[in-house]
Amino acid sequence: AQSVSQHNHHVILSEAASLELGCNYSYGGTVNLFWYVQYPGQHLQLLLKYFSGDPLVKGIKGFEAEFIKSKFSFNLRKPSVQWSDTAEYFCAVLSSGGYQKVTFGTGTKLQVIP
Amino acid sequence: KAGVTQTPRYLIKTRGQQVTLSCSPISGHRSVSWYQQTPGQGLQFLFEYFSETQRNKGNFPGRFSGRQFSNSRSEMNVSTLELGDSALYLCASRTGQPQTYEQYFGPGTRLTVT
Repeated sequence: AQSVSQHNHHVILSEAASLELGCNYSYGGTVNLFWYVQYPGQHLQLLLKYFSGDPLVKGIKGFEAEFIKSKFSFNLRKPSVQWSDTAEYFCAVLSSGGYQKVTFGTGTKLQVIP
Repeated sequence: KAGVTQTPRYLIKTRGQQVTLSCSPISGHRSVSWYQQTPGQGLQFLFEYFSETQRNKGNFPGRFSGRQFSNSRSEMNVSTLELGDSALYLCASRTGQPQTYEQYFGPGTRLTVT
């Protein structure tokens, strides 16, 4: 069965600091990868996704993620965070083949201090 | 285009009761997935419906069931509620095309079991 690990459960950063949130998955086949964000009081929304092609994916609000197949990782990065980035971030993996199924990580709460 | 809507937004039930949650997908979306979100567990996949058929199912007991209607609206039912069923239940819709798997989430139904 596939699984997704987000090692950082709670991250606190000051504004303008750089961000990197880890995401590792276990699945032997072809995967598609996502990062979702849930701002306080808002719906879960897609931040970025990787399906194929360039392993460096750019998303909304200056976020990017790099797919490293050899490391089974899909870490999320942002060079300079803002207070408005305070939210919970979820990594997710979509398995291919048969009936597709999305597996989410447990989430990382990011708190940005002004 | 209207987003995914879920009703009710909040529910309080007692142990042993049953509950039905409703989800209306984005117009034109034929796939609806349900997730249970709890602190520390992240999002756990319950099931997915496509064109009124259950396409995939997560590892939840048979007390959790669902269905989808011809207009793509979906309902989820939990029978014999337990305290551990307290969670945010999220519904997500997508077009159903295999090439893209972009899910759009609703605001969720907060279920509290006392």
